[in-house]
Amino acid sequence: AQSVTQLDSHVSVSEGTPVLLRCNYSSSYSPSLFWYVQHPNKGLQLLLKYTSAATLVKGINGFEAEFKKSETSFHLTKPSAHMSDAAEYFCVVGPHFGNEKLTFGTGTRLTIIP
Amino acid sequence: DTGVSQDPRHKITKRGQNVTFRCDPISEHNRLYWYRQTLGQGPEFLTYFQNEAQLEKSRLLSDRFSAERPKGSFSTLEIQRTEQGDSAMYLCATGQGNEQYFGPGTRLTVT
Repeated sequence: AQSVTQLDSHVSVSEGTPVLLRCNYSSSYSPSLFWYVQHPNKGLQLLLKYTSAATLVKGINGFEAEFKKSETSFHLTKPSAHMSDAAEYFCVVGPHFGNEKLTFGTGTRLTIIP
Repeated sequence: DTGVSQDPRHKITKRGQNVTFRCDPISEHNRLYWYRQTLGQGPEFLTYFQNEAQLEKSRLLSDRFSAERPKGSFSTLEIQRTEQGDSAMYLCATGQGNEQYFGPGTRLTVT
């Protein structure tokens, strides 16, 4: 079985300050991990993915995430928040052999304060 | 825009009616998935196709739900005898490698 826990349901940061969205995972296998973003009335967009290569993964729009096996974490960060970053973010544990589904966390709503 | 399209984008129906949603995938992707997302939650897996074969179904997919993918191209998801608890966003995704690309979803409201 695999699961993810997003530790904060809502995060607020001021524009221009760093963003940290926290995620812990549980997996019986070496996991594939993803972050997806969902803007209001828009579809889910893949931000970045980890698939057992480099532990620091860079994604789109300046986001990055670090895979830490010892802490079973995959936190999402961005050095400087922009107003357009306001959205819902989902940490996701991905398919492994014989199990094709994505398992989503409950989401973190990111609010940017002007 | 990921290239995955869904139709309709919104559907309002009365309890007890049948509804059908359509998903048109990215043409070169042979894997297609359906998920359901309720308010304040992350999407939950419903079912998965490899070409025209339905290979996995969630326990969430009751016998009122049926999905098809004839000829391994577009897919349909039908809900029979809708209930208010079926109100949700229904998402289609198609896959290449271990990545999945999502359509905009169909929002179903059952009154």
